[in-house]
Amino acid sequence: QKEVEQNSGPLSVPEGAIASLNCTYSDRGSQSFFWYRQYSGKSPELIMFIYSNGDKEDGRFTAQLNKASQYVSLLIRDSQPSDSATYLCAVTLDSSYKLIFGSGTRLLVRP
Amino acid sequence: DAGITQSPRYKITETGRQVTLMCHQTWSHSYMFWYRQDLGHGLRLIYYSAAADITDKGEVPDGYVVSRSKTENFPLTLESATRSQTSVYFCASSVSSSEQFFGPGTRLTVL
Repeated sequence: QKEVEQNSGPLSVPEGAIASLNCTYSDRGSQSFFWYRQYSGKSPELIMFIYSNGDKEDGRFTAQLNKASQYVSLLIRDSQPSDSATYLCAVTLDSSYKLIFGSGTRLLVRP
Repeated sequence: DAGITQSPRYKITETGRQVTLMCHQTWSHSYMFWYRQDLGHGLRLIYYSAAADITDKGEVPDGYVVSRSKTENFPLTLESATRSQTSVYFCASSVSSSEQFFGPGTRLTVL
């Protein structure tokens, strides 16, 4: 069973801090990695994707990928209360276009 | 710019009834997906489609039927609804083997 693991949280950080969200995956054939943000009662919204080892930055968000360790992370700098949501990690299955999702990490940013 | 829409947004039905959830996208994306989201299980893939008239099973296909006669539509049918199919259903689409974009979801309750 191919799996994507995330700590369910909640991860609580003060406003302005860096939030670090982590994800591990079991399928060594995975090629593409995604982070989705989901507000309560809403649909998942794509915020970052990364295909190569290393870091990818987009505004306050940085995705980090380490394929050797089968580890992907999302850093949110200068966290805001509006960042409070559940963050879903997703990876492609068997180098295909199918995604396997983690159960998500709930982030709470305290004002 | 409608993007991807789902209907109905909310549905209450009874055990044994047939229910069809609709998904429509205006992007002409080749790939479409149906997921269900339950507490403790995250997002699980039910069925997916790579193009019109091409569909395949995902992780949890039992009790569901799909069709895709047109690129823009991907209906999901519960042939005989059961209480265990009470869930939030999300449709998604993607242009290739990369980022998936989600519809607003349908909250289905089976009594």
